Amino acid sequence: ETGVTQTPRHLVMGMTNKKSLKCEQHLGHNAMYWYKQSAKKPLELMFVYNFKEQTENNSVPSRFSPECPNSSHLFLHLHTLQPEDSALYLCASSQDPGADTGELFFGEGSRLTVL
Amino acid sequence: KNQVEQSPQSLIILEGKNCTLQCNYTVSPFSNLRWYKQDTGRGPVSLTIMTFSENTKSNGRYTATLDADTKQSSLHITASQLSDSASYICVVSALGRSGIYNQGGKLIFGQGTELSVKP
Repeated sequence: ETGVTQTPRHLVMGMTNKKSLKCEQHLGHNAMYWYKQSAKKPLELMFVYNFKEQTENNSVPSRFSPECPNSSHLFLHLHTLQPEDSALYLCASSQDPGADTGELFFGEGSRLTVL
Repeated sequence: KNQVEQSPQSLIILEGKNCTLQCNYTVSPFSNLRWYKQDTGRGPVSLTIMTFSENTKSNGRYTATLDADTKQSSLHITASQLSDSASYICVVSALGRSGIYNQGGKLIFGQGTELSVKP
């Protein structure tokens, strides 16, 4: 079992659909993150949660809604997305809430296609 | 502006050959520099992390160097294998404010170098 597990691995949705991405970490870490990776572009930080509390929202549109019920689980709820939201969505976790010192462990990603 | 630039954008080498990937950064205040390997359709996996005081670190056939004065790093791959085909991402960490919670510690990602190793 990998340290950070993401489901589903692939998702195709219409612009009017509502879906959710799920992330679970089995490493006992205190911080969890959502990143967006578009083709040929650097990873973009979306949200940071420390001890279940959101500590960073990187100007993400409200059609992306994160939820962190506990330190091991992180969700990204999606609704009324646009085709440009198609990307690989990566979840990560770290032991140290301070990302400048803690090593990040990434999940395998959820490949999202918006039609 | 904090930036991380990687070169080349893509690289093709023959199996068994060595190669070097470059990373230049303008990040302040600097905390550490990381190299990640990302296989196609998978999440990034950490190769090395170097702080200001470290100028070289190895992980098997991967050796990373850091010159904090010139703000440059390189990743050298020795005796390449087909499984080395991947995207290699340089990530520089800027120092955050102190405190229990993440108070601005920030990771700046490069766009990656796409390496293809051919038989």
